[in-house]
Amino acid sequence: DQQVKQNSPSLSVQEGRISILNCDYTNSMFDYFLWYKKYPAEGPTFLISISSIKDKNEDGRFTVFLNKSAKHLSLHIVPSQPGDSAVYFCAASPPYITQGGSEKLVFGKGTKLTVNP
Amino acid sequence: DSGVTQTPKHLITATGQRVTLRCSPRSGDLSVYWYQQSLDQGLQFLIQYYNGEERAKGNILERFSAQQFPDLHSELNLSSLELGDSALYFCASSVAIGLANTGELFFGEGSRLTVL
Repeated sequence: DQQVKQNSPSLSVQEGRISILNCDYTNSMFDYFLWYKKYPAEGPTFLISISSIKDKNEDGRFTVFLNKSAKHLSLHIVPSQPGDSAVYFCAASPPYITQGGSEKLVFGKGTKLTVNP
Repeated sequence: DSGVTQTPKHLITATGQRVTLRCSPRSGDLSVYWYQQSLDQGLQFLIQYYNGEERAKGNILERFSAQQFPDLHSELNLSSLELGDSALYFCASSVAIGLANTGELFFGEGSRLTVL
């Protein structure tokens, strides 16, 4: 039972264009969402997060949008750069009191982004 | 460099064998997590330790065990290995726990285990 789904295993975009990575979740109790980026031979690194009380969070070129009714979040990268080429993992955190919170993050399978020069 | 150190980086062993993966968290981080990433799978949470004590358990098999030592480094022991245990095992650390934990974990580079 996959609670966090990243249905696109890969995405290819041109440098300078927008990259949109999507993530769907099934557990309506998730209340905090994160994106991690992973380069080959490295561990994942935290990129950006959003609380369920917000619908948008922006950090430089990266913006995460949350649509709670659709149980969907997306990561927008504008403009995309070749250095953004990596695997992006979506993660969700269940409520702490009932399900352990961010100490039991649920990750998606990842989407491999390739930004072509 | 996340500050989290994992050894070994690569390990090849045979079915039925036992291996130990080692992790040193970032300086100051008391919490250590272990995750497994199998082929085409996301990161699966295995277990978390905080200051030497087991704090949370995920989908960890009974053949697997972990501990965190007084110097805060952690070891993940995998025994009676099967082909399906071949995966990338990540260790992560964080400074905060409980409600203060925002999920911003610092991951090591991983230990790639191949079981033949």
